[in-house]
Amino acid sequence: AQSVTQPDIHITVSEGASLELRCNYSYGATPYLFWYVQSPGQGLQLLLKYFSGDTLVQGIKGFEAEFKRSQSSFNLRKPSVHWSDAAEYFCAVGPAGAGSYQLTFGKGTKLSVIP
Amino acid sequence: EPEVTQTPSHQVTQMGQEVILRCVPISNHLYFYWYRQILGQKVEFLVSFYNNEISEKSEIFDDQFSVERPDGSNFTLKIRSTKLEDSAMYFCASTAGPTEAFFGQGTRLTVV
Repeated sequence: AQSVTQPDIHITVSEGASLELRCNYSYGATPYLFWYVQSPGQGLQLLLKYFSGDTLVQGIKGFEAEFKRSQSSFNLRKPSVHWSDAAEYFCAVGPAGAGSYQLTFGKGTKLSVIP
Repeated sequence: EPEVTQTPSHQVTQMGQEVILRCVPISNHLYFYWYRQILGQKVEFLVSFYNNEISEKSEIFDDQFSVERPDGSNFTLKIRSTKLEDSAMYFCASTAGPTEAFFGQGTRLTVV
């Protein structure tokens, strides 16, 4: 069965600093990969996705992620964090085949930003 | 931009009562989902629905749960007899196919 590991439960960075959130997945084939962000009391907003092609994908709000097949990783990066980026970030994996497209989520990484 | 709409945003119910959570998926989407997030835990898949029937369900989705698409727009999750451990945020999502899922804002269910 597929699984997603986000090894960092909580990360604190200073505003303007760079950010990398880690995500490793276990899946039997090439999956679809996603990063979602959840602000307190809010729903899940898609930051970016990887389906195929270029392994470096750009998303909204200045985020990017790189798919590394050899490491089964899909780490999220941002060169300069803003205070409004404080939220919880979830990595998710979905099946890249026909049928139901349900997602398996990681446990999330909570990002705190110091002004 | 089209969005998934969920109602209510917060529901409080007594243990043993039935609740129905409602969702209006994006209109041209074909696959519908319910996920659950217990406070402080990860988002968990409950059930997927396609072509007017359940296509996948998780172990969480036992006989107490049911889903329905009663008309062309609504997608509902019913919990027949709520338990304390059903307290969670419930998210509805929809997809057009093998693409990203669009999530609603969630319904916070509190069972007392």
